Amino acid sequence: NAGVTQTPKFQVLKTGQSMTLQCAQDMNHNSMYWYRQDPGMGLRLIYYSASEGTTDKGEVPNGYNVSRLNKREFSLRLESAAPSQTSVYFCASRLDRAGNIQYFGAGTRLSVL
Amino acid sequence: ELKVEQNPLFLSMQEGKNYTIYCNYSTTSDRLYWYRQDPGKSLESLFVLLSNGAVKQEGRLMASLDTKARLSTLHITAAVHDLSATYFCAVDPRNTGNQFYFGTGTSLTVIP
Repeated sequence: NAGVTQTPKFQVLKTGQSMTLQCAQDMNHNSMYWYRQDPGMGLRLIYYSASEGTTDKGEVPNGYNVSRLNKREFSLRLESAAPSQTSVYFCASRLDRAGNIQYFGAGTRLSVL
Repeated sequence: ELKVEQNPLFLSMQEGKNYTIYCNYSTTSDRLYWYRQDPGKSLESLFVLLSNGAVKQEGRLMASLDTKARLSTLHITAAVHDLSATYFCAVDPRNTGNQFYFGTGTSLTVIP
C-alpha cells in the first residue's frame, strides 16, 4: 500500500532555477491537492484538482503551475524559484468531497538559496 | 476571507493533566477534520466530524463539533508523552468547491 508518493524528498535550488515536484496516488482518488507548510502558518493550498482534467487555484498559487497528468499523478512546477518558496510541500488526495479525509504524502523539503 | 483559527498555538502540559484545543472557523461548514503531525513527518487523520453535535473518541482524545457556534474542540484526557505533536483542524465548506482550509496548528508538548 503505497498511498501518496512524493518525489523528491529533499531539494536545494538556486534562485531562478526551475523544478517539478511529482506526486502519485494509487488509491483511485478523484481529487488531488498541493499544499505548502511554513512555520506558524499551517497548511496553505496552492492548487487542487477535483478530477482528472481539471485544476483550480488555491490560496497561494502565484509562482506555481500544476498538471494533472492522469488520475494518478499531479505535478507541481516552480518555473523560476525564489527564496520565498522555501517551504515543505505536501501532496494529498481524497476520493471525493463527501466527508472523505485527505491522505498526505511524506512531503518535499525545498530550499531556495 | 475564510478563516480557521486554533488556540492555543502552543501548549505545554504535564502528563496526567486534561486540556482542550479549540478550533473556530468563519464559514458555514458541517465537515470538520482533525489531523496530527509529528515533527518532520506527514499529516495523519485523527477524526472526521460530519454533523452538528458529532462526537468522536479515540483513546485519550475526544473531538466534538458545534456547527452553530462554528467551533470544534479536541479534548485531551490524562495526557501522556506520546501525544506530543502538532494538531490541525480543517474545514471543508460546501460552497468553496473541493477545498480544505487548515488551521494554523497547535503544538502540544507533554512533559513527564
